[in-house]
Amino acid sequence: GAGVSQSPSNKVTEKGKDVELRCDPISGHTALYWYRQSLGQGLEFLIYFQGNSAPDKSGLPSDRFSAERTGGSVSTLTIQRTQQEDSAVYLCASSWDGSQPQHFGDGTRLSIL
Amino acid sequence: DQQVKQNSPSLSVQEGRISILNCDYTNSMFDYFLWYKKYPAEGPTFLISISSIKDKNEDGRFTVFLNKSAKHLSLHIVPSQPGDSAVYFCAASAHGDYKLSFGAGTTVTVRA
Repeated sequence: GAGVSQSPSNKVTEKGKDVELRCDPISGHTALYWYRQSLGQGLEFLIYFQGNSAPDKSGLPSDRFSAERTGGSVSTLTIQRTQQEDSAVYLCASSWDGSQPQHFGDGTRLSIL
Repeated sequence: DQQVKQNSPSLSVQEGRISILNCDYTNSMFDYFLWYKKYPAEGPTFLISISSIKDKNEDGRFTVFLNKSAKHLSLHIVPSQPGDSAVYFCAASAHGDYKLSFGAGTTVTVRA
């Protein structure tokens, strides 16, 4: 069956540009999460969507980061005016109704030049 | 402030032997623990979990042990196989909290 799908798999961009990362969760999963993994680090929580509830944005590192989820399915993470410290692997996960375990996509490797 | 710690960044084990991965946590509110396995260029894959009401959970070659008083858990892989070579992440969540807190991972290499 289809797992969590993320695109693009790799993104290289210049400092100062905006980027959009996409996540398509497992069908039927109402909960969607974004994490990022910097080199040599564990996964860092960014944002959580559950159904029609207001998202938990408490993990977003700055106001340059935003995310939306349209129609309760696909989500887009946007990073404006990218900085070199934004370079990381951005991982999306989904689960049934906020329960565990979360199922992860293969991530987007973002490199800021 | 890292609430989940994996103090061994790497582990090398011979094929057929036991792999033991350790994880410590500081948040006493954590009551659900998970292990994920990650291959290069792939996302983490759920391996096994344990609730705080248990002290052991077994699934095939994988067993997770939980010591609540020590705030410590471990993952045992017996016997280790070459396909087990990967990065293993320990993760934890508190009751009613959907967020997972992750350790930095342990890279396991299984030698033939």
